[in-house]
Amino acid sequence: DVKVTQSSRYLVKRTGEKVFLECVQDMDHENMFWYRQDPGLGLRLIYFSYDVKMKEKGDIPEGYSVSREKKERFSLILESASTNQTSMYLCASSSTGLNSPLHFGNGTRLTVT
Amino acid sequence: GNSVTQMEGPVTLSEEAFLTINCTYTATGYPSLFWYVQYPGEGLQLLLKATKADDKGSNKGFEATYRKETTSFHLEKGSVQVSDSAVYFCALSDGATNKLIFGTGTLLAVQP
Repeated sequence: DVKVTQSSRYLVKRTGEKVFLECVQDMDHENMFWYRQDPGLGLRLIYFSYDVKMKEKGDIPEGYSVSREKKERFSLILESASTNQTSMYLCASSSTGLNSPLHFGNGTRLTVT
Repeated sequence: GNSVTQMEGPVTLSEEAFLTINCTYTATGYPSLFWYVQYPGEGLQLLLKATKADDKGSNKGFEATYRKETTSFHLEKGSVQVSDSAVYFCALSDGATNKLIFGTGTLLAVQP
């Protein structure tokens, strides 16, 4: 089974801090994604990556950046955390096959105070 | 642009009741359609999918048919169980990028 592991289940940070959310997948998937999940808004795509050192903006990239130095790891970075970035963050991966399913991690609940 | 609209929840049913969760979409071209399920405390997992018009996806007793004429992909199950309590997300993909656009999710609560 594909395993997508997010490093933290819960995280509490202060406004202005730099925050790193880490995600690792063990199935050699090319594609990796970061979504945030908010009540009433569903999942919204922040950034995605199709290959090492490659990144593309999703629908809501403002205030975020990403890093993919190795194929199995995709990091989401909040350069200066703000309270409106309090949310559930979900990482996912997929292979390149057409309509390949996304495999999700269990999420990181980030609270910015 | 592409979008997905699904019925708001929560949906509360008794065990063995019939379930329908409505989903409609707006898209250019010929998207693929998906239902994902999120159990409490977990990430999302694929429940079923359909990649072309009139296809029926099915899994674990759930079914959904890709209706191009009504731009719909409604999720159905004939007899729900308490273990089906979860949040259900409808999603579409343009197939070219594997990026998914999700609906807002529908919480299903099944009572014994």
